[in-house]
Amino acid sequence: DAGITQSPRHKVTETGTPVTLRCHQTENHRYMYWYRQDPGHGLRLIHYSYGVKDTDKGEVSDGYSVSRSKTEDFLLTLESATSSQTSVYFCAITNRDGQSSSYEQYFGPGTRLTVT
Amino acid sequence: DQQVKQNSPSLSVQEGRISILNCDYTNSMFDYFLWYKKYPAEGPTFLISISSIKDKNEDGRFTVFLNKSAKHLSLHIVPSQPGDSAVYFCAAKKLRGGSNYKLTFGKGTLLTVNP
Repeated sequence: DAGITQSPRHKVTETGTPVTLRCHQTENHRYMYWYRQDPGHGLRLIHYSYGVKDTDKGEVSDGYSVSRSKTEDFLLTLESATSSQTSVYFCAITNRDGQSSSYEQYFGPGTRLTVT
Repeated sequence: DQQVKQNSPSLSVQEGRISILNCDYTNSMFDYFLWYKKYPAEGPTFLISISSIKDKNEDGRFTVFLNKSAKHLSLHIVPSQPGDSAVYFCAAKKLRGGSNYKLTFGKGTLLTVNP
């Protein structure tokens, strides 16, 4: 258990509204990631963070922004939600900054977002 | 351009038999590979990994084989159990080049193990 929680777990919103998803970790890991999972596409990286206030884009970042003002929280914001952003969103961390020499990422339970 | 490919969307096997899940990659800069398992309504969970300096890594019923020349890896599950029924994702990482430990995932293969 990597101590990752996501909130909300489910959300239905209307097109054009802003939405913020939260990822919270309890173990002070430096690297955090946001993915979306869609049928036929697997897991695709949206944005990632390599420290407080340090973020960068992934492969599908259009329409999304992120913020990380504290080590433990990584927020994903859909500026103006569209139906194409209906998806399951996963947060992940890697403990590369610890004693581990491995490269695994550990995932949260996911947020199912529906944009109507 | 899909750099990690899982060409079989689904696989069905009988309980007790071997399950073989395949993954191909195109980027020669990848030199660390991982397999994840995902049950419905849960996050992916790490299963097993392999570095490019090895050609095999084993953990209990799970073995990953890497063929660098063919840019191909496979996950063997022996013996398969009904609880192994899940979506399996292959992932790859570039160890060099400052990639911030990003992973590139395949599209996944749905494994169904029939009792």
